[in-house]
Amino acid sequence: DTEVTQTPKHLVMGMTNKKSLKCEQHMGHRAMYWYKQKAKKPPELMFVYSYEKLSINESVPSRFSPECPNSSLLNLHLHALQPEDSALYLCASSRPVGDYGYTFGSGTRLTVV
Amino acid sequence: SQQGEEDPQALSIQEGENATMNCSYKTSINNLQWYRQNSGRGLVHLILIRSNEREKHSGRLRVTLDTSKKSSSLLITASRAADTASYFCATVTGFQKLVFGTGTRLLVSP
Repeated sequence: DTEVTQTPKHLVMGMTNKKSLKCEQHMGHRAMYWYKQKAKKPPELMFVYSYEKLSINESVPSRFSPECPNSSLLNLHLHALQPEDSALYLCASSRPVGDYGYTFGSGTRLTVV
Repeated sequence: SQQGEEDPQALSIQEGENATMNCSYKTSINNLQWYRQNSGRGLVHLILIRSNEREKHSGRLRVTLDTSKKSSSLLITASRAADTASYFCATVTGFQKLVFGTGTRLLVSP
C-alpha cells in the first residue's frame, strides 16, 4: 500500500460546528504532516508529527487541533472555524529522516459557512 | 512560510515541446524536491536531488541544482497534454520541514 487516504473528500461546516479530518497510511512512515492550501497558492505547513509526537507547530491557531493516535493515523480536529479557514487540507507522510520524498493524500476540501 | 520562488508563474506550450521551470530558494538545504499537482488535488512526488548533487534524471524529467546560486530547474522533455498541472519545488530545511515554492502552472495543448 503506497497511498495516503484522507476522509472526507469534501466538508462543509458552520462556524459553530466541530468536525474532524482523518488521514491514514500503511507505508510504515513515522512522520506525518498537515498542510493547508488556498486557491492558486502553494501548500503551507501546519503541523509535523514524528514517531507520534508533535514536533512542529507552525503557529497554527488553537481552533485547529492535531492528534496522532498511532503510527498509521493522523487527525485534525476543527472547532469554531472562520470562513477564511476554507481551503484544501492535505495530509502527507514520509520516512522520518533522510532524503526521501513525501507521499500526499488527495486532500479534504473544506468550506466554512 | 515560503522558501522559494518559481518562474515562470505560468507556461503554455504545444505537445512535443520542452518545458523548463526555475526555482530559487533562500536558505541552505538538505535536498530539493519537485512535485506535480493536478486540479488542486494531492501532490505527487516527481524527483529529489540532494544538496551534493548537480543533476538528476528520471524518465522525461531532468533536474539541476546550483547551490551557489540557490537555484534549481526542472526540464520536462517532449511534453504531453497529460503533463498539464501545477509544478512546485520544495526544499527540506532543518528537520522534516518541507517548504514549497510559489509554483508554475503548465498548460500543454494538443
